[in-house]
Amino acid sequence: DVKVTQSSRYLVKRTGEKVFLECVQDMDHENMFWYRQDPGLGLRLIYFSYDVKMKEKGDIPEGYSVSREKKERFSLILESASTNQTSMYLCASSVIAQGKLFFGSGTQLSVL
Amino acid sequence: AQRVTQPEKLLSVFKGAPVELKCNYSYSGSPELFWYVQYSRQRLQLLLRHISRESIKGFTADLNKGETSFHLKKPFAQEEDSAMYYCALSGSSGDKLTFGTGTRLAVRP
Repeated sequence: DVKVTQSSRYLVKRTGEKVFLECVQDMDHENMFWYRQDPGLGLRLIYFSYDVKMKEKGDIPEGYSVSREKKERFSLILESASTNQTSMYLCASSVIAQGKLFFGSGTQLSVL
Repeated sequence: AQRVTQPEKLLSVFKGAPVELKCNYSYSGSPELFWYVQYSRQRLQLLLRHISRESIKGFTADLNKGETSFHLKKPFAQEEDSAMYYCALSGSSGDKLTFGTGTRLAVRP
């Protein structure tokens, strides 16, 4: 089974802090994704990476950056956390051009 | 731009009743459509994809290009079907998925 592991299940941070969300997958997938999940808004793509050191902006990249130094690891960075970034963050991975995403269990981030 | 619309936030049915979760999409090319499901305290997972033309857990979905719809159907709902359902679309690259806002299905005993 594909395993996508997100480092924290719950995270509480203060406004202005720099926040790192980590994601690791163990199936050698080329694609990795960061989505945020909000009630009534569904899943929205923040960033997408199709290879090491390659990234592409999603629909809502403002206030976020990403890093992919190794194939198995994809990090989401909130440079200066704000209260409107309180959300559930989902990491996912997939094989190229397959469309079947494997999701992590999510990180619930609260910014106070 | 690609868009997925799920008009119902909540669908409540009795056990044994038919279920139809609506999904409409907007995309200029040939889309690939998916249904993902999230059961309580579980990860979001793929339920089915239109290209496979399969039935999973009794659910089916037919792509109607004329109506740009991909509704999810099941003839007899079970309590274990209660979950959050997301319709998703990928464009020509097959990589980035655009999700709808989701429909919560509640099956009452």
